[in-house]
Amino acid sequence: EPEVTQTPSHQVTQMGQEVILRCVPISNHLYFYWYRQILGQKVEFLVSFYNNEISEKSEIFDDQFSVERPDGSNFTLKIRSTKLEDSAMYFCASSPGGGVGEAFFGQGTRLTVV
Amino acid sequence: SQKIEQNSEALNIQEGKTATLTCNYTNYSPAYLQWYRQDPGRGPVFLLLIRENEKEKRKERLKVTFDTTLKQSLFHITASQPADSATYLCATEGSGNTGKLIFGQGTTLQVKP
Repeated sequence: EPEVTQTPSHQVTQMGQEVILRCVPISNHLYFYWYRQILGQKVEFLVSFYNNEISEKSEIFDDQFSVERPDGSNFTLKIRSTKLEDSAMYFCASSPGGGVGEAFFGQGTRLTVV
Repeated sequence: SQKIEQNSEALNIQEGKTATLTCNYTNYSPAYLQWYRQDPGRGPVFLLLIRENEKEKRKERLKVTFDTTLKQSLFHITASQPADSATYLCATEGSGNTGKLIFGQGTTLQVKP
């Protein structure tokens, strides 16, 4: 069964460093997303991406964040200068359409900023 | 703004009983609601979607209802099993038709043998 894959599963980084979280969405999906979940809190939307551009972003997704689809398969989230409060699980998701329908989530990358 | 709430207290039930989880929404009228399962340290997994014009949806031992008058969805697991123990998330669409999901905080279900 097709699945969304994320790497790495766990990333530890020093405050102020740049990190890139990687995702391979399901191949025939057109919409891609990043969500985050701080420990013990709800899953929060960060950004949606369609047709090679951001279609929506949340208040969390400030200038420190960027997304890219560098080739036909990968979808990346970059945090330019990490802060302690960026520590969270980051989930990539994809869906075949942007309207009504289920989203397929990856297993997440646990980011720890020290 | 759109708000979706679930009972944050854990639900503990005995194996074989029916678990009922609640999702309430305020300040908007969603076209649909989705339910996901999340295991510790894992990503959400889609379970069911119910549209506003559907009163009820079933899938095996799962049943979801959607009451637009009460602004509430109920999620039922019948004949519950210890393997059903997980956190269950309610989600709905954000505005803008981008596929963005807004999640509730989830309810943790513990099924005891």
